[in-house]
Amino acid sequence: EAQVTQNPRYLITVTGKKLTVTCSQNMNHEYMSWYRQDPGLGLRQIYYSMNVEVTDKGDVPEGYKVSRKEKRNFPLILESPSPNQTSLYFCASRTSGRAAYTGELFFGEGSRLTVL
Amino acid sequence: DAKTTQPPSMDCAEGRAANLPCNHSTISGNEYVYWYRQIHSQGPQYIIHGLKNNETNEMASLIITEDRKSSTLILPHATLRDTAVYYCIVSLLFSGNTPLVFGKGTRLSVIA
Repeated sequence: EAQVTQNPRYLITVTGKKLTVTCSQNMNHEYMSWYRQDPGLGLRQIYYSMNVEVTDKGDVPEGYKVSRKEKRNFPLILESPSPNQTSLYFCASRTSGRAAYTGELFFGEGSRLTVL
Repeated sequence: DAKTTQPPSMDCAEGRAANLPCNHSTISGNEYVYWYRQIHSQGPQYIIHGLKNNETNEMASLIITEDRKSSTLILPHATLRDTAVYYCIVSLLFSGNTPLVFGKGTRLSVIA
């Protein structure tokens, strides 16, 4: 089954304790992205990756890092989490190939992070 | 900023057609109209997209006006499971560098 898998789905942590949210897709997609969703602010892009070893900032990258060492994985790293990073996080992927390209973005089920 | 305008909420009776409007008056000639929905706090789900012709798939129909300044997503027989926030988005098709910009969407409530 084609899917984007995020872990953990729920996490409560404390300020300053480094954490990583993993994202893995099994569709051989080139493009991957991280969004955060907050009440009243909608979905905002954090980082995206066009392909392996190619990453770039989205609209709200401060406080986050990413890496793309393998095509299937795109972890989101919070080096020193703060309470304002309490949010619902979504990973997404899509193909970049022109053949049969629809632009459909496939989302994971989300990771709810609380930073105390 | 989102390039689309949608009503914040709508109600629809179960079994009836749900017609969700979207205004995108500044859409450019090569931008597509995409619709996604988000059920509760799940990941958004792709529904349909189109450029200028009307489109239909197993989930919905998309009607785009001739001037392309507005569109309507039609769920032909809404069920309770269609209760969700629906997002109308305009985007280039081959736009790897351009993120989908989600606005606030329309909260559709399907009522039994």
